Amino acid sequence: EVQLVESGGGLVQPGGSLRLSCAASGFTFSSYWMSWVRQAPGKGLEWVANIKQDGSEKYYVDSVKGRFTISRDNAKNSLYLQMNSLRAEDTAVYYCASGYEYWGQGTLVTVSS
Amino acid sequence: SYELTQPPSVSVSPGQTARITCSGDALPKQYAYWYQQKPGQAPVLVIYKDSERPSGIPERFSGSSSGTTVTLTISGVQAEDEADYYCQSADSSGTHEVFGGGTKLTVL
Repeated sequence: EVQLVESGGGLVQPGGSLRLSCAASGFTFSSYWMSWVRQAPGKGLEWVANIKQDGSEKYYVDSVKGRFTISRDNAKNSLYLQMNSLRAEDTAVYYCASGYEYWGQGTLVTVSS
Repeated sequence: SYELTQPPSVSVSPGQTARITCSGDALPKQYAYWYQQKPGQAPVLVIYKDSERPSGIPERFSGSSSGTTVTLTISGVQAEDEADYYCQSADSSGTHEVFGGGTKLTVL
């Protein structure tokens, strides 16, 4: 059974940092592009970043470029999102997704003082 | 930045056909993907590569493409199909993904 389990969310003050993790199992993690997608409360889905199978290519939505870093560890079947200089508008449920088919259940990030 | 445009809402009666459109300049070049999302749940892929249906998705879900518009069609809509639906695709370079704004399907 395919599983993607996000962790690391929580409450953080504006300007702070968080590192999200996504543990993958049940499929060949190293064969898939991986993505982070977020959803602000009551809003639609927003693609945040993605990373190629070997980590050699990474792309970001303009609003997080220079603040967020996506990475992966294929030996640990894990995906990460380092989020720095967080803003109130980064408040959202963050999902990790493999290719297009598999999604985790999400982890909530709240940026507030 | 690149955008995909969906109608905010679509309403149909049970048993009728619902059509949800998604428009974007790069759609002739990039595949589209459709997701169903119910409240409090993660999105579920219902159509990939414009018109392919993943295993486990009912046959009443289908997708099509014409020029700069892709369409999700749900034939014989059931009450359980009430949800938000999102299209996803990439910009012309294929490097940056984007989602449409979402369409709320209401089953009357």
